[in-house]
Amino acid sequence: GENVEQHPSTLSVQEGDSAVIKCTYSDSASNYFPWYKQELGKGPQLIIDIRSNVGEKKDQRIAVTLNKTAKHFSLHITETQPEDSAVYFCAASNFGNEKLTFGTGTRLTIIP
Amino acid sequence: DGGITQSPKYLFRKEGQNVTLSCEQNLNHDAMYWYRQDPGQGLRLIYYSQIVNDFQKGDIAEGYSVSREKKESFPLTVTSAQKNPTAFYLCASGLGQRETQYFGPGTRLLVL
Repeated sequence: GENVEQHPSTLSVQEGDSAVIKCTYSDSASNYFPWYKQELGKGPQLIIDIRSNVGEKKDQRIAVTLNKTAKHFSLHITETQPEDSAVYFCAASNFGNEKLTFGTGTRLTIIP
Repeated sequence: DGGITQSPKYLFRKEGQNVTLSCEQNLNHDAMYWYRQDPGQGLRLIYYSQIVNDFQKGDIAEGYSVSREKKESFPLTVTSAQKNPTAFYLCASGLGQRETQYFGPGTRLLVL
């Protein structure tokens, strides 16, 4: 089955700097890659997703890049703000598989 | 006001007791999912349902049961056979295979 690895497990950045979280996946058939943000005690919220027919997608300060050859995808957050502090999860889903496989999460802390 | 609701927010279980977690959605989604989240870990799939009156086991189904009698509802029962039930339980719904999943606010289950 699919295996998703996520790094780093914790990340601290100065407010205003950029943050990058990376995920690798094992199944070359995977073609859908969402990113979720989870605040303490709440359910995950989708923040951005990408499908395998594109290499990059951007939404204001958030971007996701996908490298299908290397089987990895990354979340980029620019101009970080205190409200970006949360746990971020990546996930992957492949054709014929009815479920998402999640990474183990990255705890992002923005230092004011 | 559309979305996914889960109740209760906190639930306490005594030894040998079955408890049922509620999940309701008014997004007209066909697919619904139950995940378990333990501290410092990713989300693990318990059960999922792609259509009414049908459901499949996920990666950690032992000790759990579900039903899907209505499109809007997907209750999860944690049975006495689940020996380590303390966790944060998340329900999600989506349009189906390889599509975005949207999460509810979660239920925290604690054992007395």
